[in-house]
Amino acid sequence: DIQMTQSPSSLSASVGDRVTITCRASQTIGNSINWYQQKPGKAPKLLLYATSTLQSGVPSRFSGSASGTEFTFTISNLQPEDFATYHCQQSYGLPQTFGQGTKVEIK
Amino acid sequence: QMQVVQSGAEVKKPGASVKVSCMAAGYNFTNYGLHWVRQAPGQGLEWMGWINPISGSTKYAQKFQGRVTMTRDTSISTAYMELNRLTSDDTAVYYCARDPPSVPAFYYGMDVWGQGTTVTVSS
Repeated sequence: DIQMTQSPSSLSASVGDRVTITCRASQTIGNSINWYQQKPGKAPKLLLYATSTLQSGVPSRFSGSASGTEFTFTISNLQPEDFATYHCQQSYGLPQTFGQGTKVEIK
Repeated sequence: QMQVVQSGAEVKKPGASVKVSCMAAGYNFTNYGLHWVRQAPGQGLEWMGWINPISGSTKYAQKFQGRVTMTRDTSISTAYMELNRLTSDDTAVYYCARDPPSVPAFYYGMDVWGQGTTVTVSS
């Protein structure tokens, strides 16, 4: 199985900050990584697919990039509604696998 | 509005089976695959498998092979996930999530999620 190592597991940030989350894949996955936001008691919501493509309706302050097997998710200008848990997911191979999640908390 | 609506919470005893349903609303059920993903309390997301609603073909995570069955009934736009021989480790929220058609497969991620079904396994 492809392992997705996501870091950090949690972080504290303030409104207006720039936040970066990283996922490293255990093998090559091309650009097949997706990012989800999850709020407590709710289902995940797709933000980005194929590394960097914004899902319809998602604000442009969310972005993604890649360098080899390391993938970066960035929130620029953090907003109050962005405090949540973020998950990466690889869709390159089966079983599809997720990172352990990053909880973004208010500083 | 496109959505997938799941069945309600379940409480089961160890060794029992559970069957969760996922109904498509607002879109053509047979145009999209469906994933099943679960989340144990305080844990991350775990992919269980996928079903093609047209053919009924499935792909299961090795971890669940022999214990999970994914089916569908196209006449009522509903998919099902049945998990057998439940243990306390199966206590989780179970989600279905839509898979838009794409080449290569799974390119667009899981774009519409159900509200989740809580399954509690307890004696």
